[in-house]
Amino acid sequence: GAGVSQSPSNKVTEKGKDVELRCDPISGHTALYWYRQSLGQGLEFLIYFQGNSAPDKSGLPSDRFSAERTGGSVSTLTIQRTQQEDSAVYLCASSLAQGYTEAFFGQGTRLTVV
Amino acid sequence: GNSVTQMEGPVTLSEEAFLTINCTYTATGYPSLFWYVQYPGEGLQLLLKATKADDKGSNKGFEATYRKETTSFHLEKGSVQVSDSAVYFCALRRNYGQNFVFGPGTRLSVLP
Repeated sequence: GAGVSQSPSNKVTEKGKDVELRCDPISGHTALYWYRQSLGQGLEFLIYFQGNSAPDKSGLPSDRFSAERTGGSVSTLTIQRTQQEDSAVYLCASSLAQGYTEAFFGQGTRLTVV
Repeated sequence: GNSVTQMEGPVTLSEEAFLTINCTYTATGYPSLFWYVQYPGEGLQLLLKATKADDKGSNKGFEATYRKETTSFHLEKGSVQVSDSAVYFCALRRNYGQNFVFGPGTRLSVLP
C-alpha cells in the first residue's frame, strides 16, 4: 500500500485478556519498528526488526510483550494478560535500511484496557 | 550510547512569533538528523531532515541546520501560525540498519 497500515485503529479489551496488533509496512521496507505512546508522552521504543537479523527487543517492558515479523513484511505485536498500564497508542513505523532514510509511521492503534 | 535531548516545553507563542526548539545529540560517527511533527490526533510525520554536517533541512517554513561542532539541530521558524500547534520530535539515526533514537518531544501551542 501507499503507507504504513495498522489495525485495528482502536481496541478496548478487558484486563487479563490477550491482544494482537497488526502492522503492514510499506512494501520494500526492510526495517520495522514498534513504539508506544502514552497520553501526552513521548515515544517509548519497543522492538526493531531489520531484514533477517535478530530483532532488537531491548525496549519490550515485560515478557508479556512479544512481536514477530513474518516473511519480512507484516508484523504482529502481542500483549498477553493485559494490564491497565498497557493502555496507550501503539505506533508502527517502517523504513529502508540506509541510515539517511526516514521512518514512515502508521496512524497507530489506541489500546484501552478496562 | 546515542541520545537526543530537546527542550520539553510546553512552548506557548503568539501567532507570527519566532520559534526555536533546541535539540542536541550524542552519537558516535556521523548520524542523520530528523525532525518529526505530530499534529493533534494524528500520527508522526517527517518535517525535515539533514544527512551530513552543515546541511540545512527545510519544509513548510521550518528550518534546521546540522551543526557537528555543537552537536545540535535546532528547529526554527520565522513566523508561527496557529496551525503549527503540535508536538515536535528530534531524532537521529546512525548508520545502515540502525534504529532511530527520538527525543522526548516538545509541545508547541500557538495562540491567535
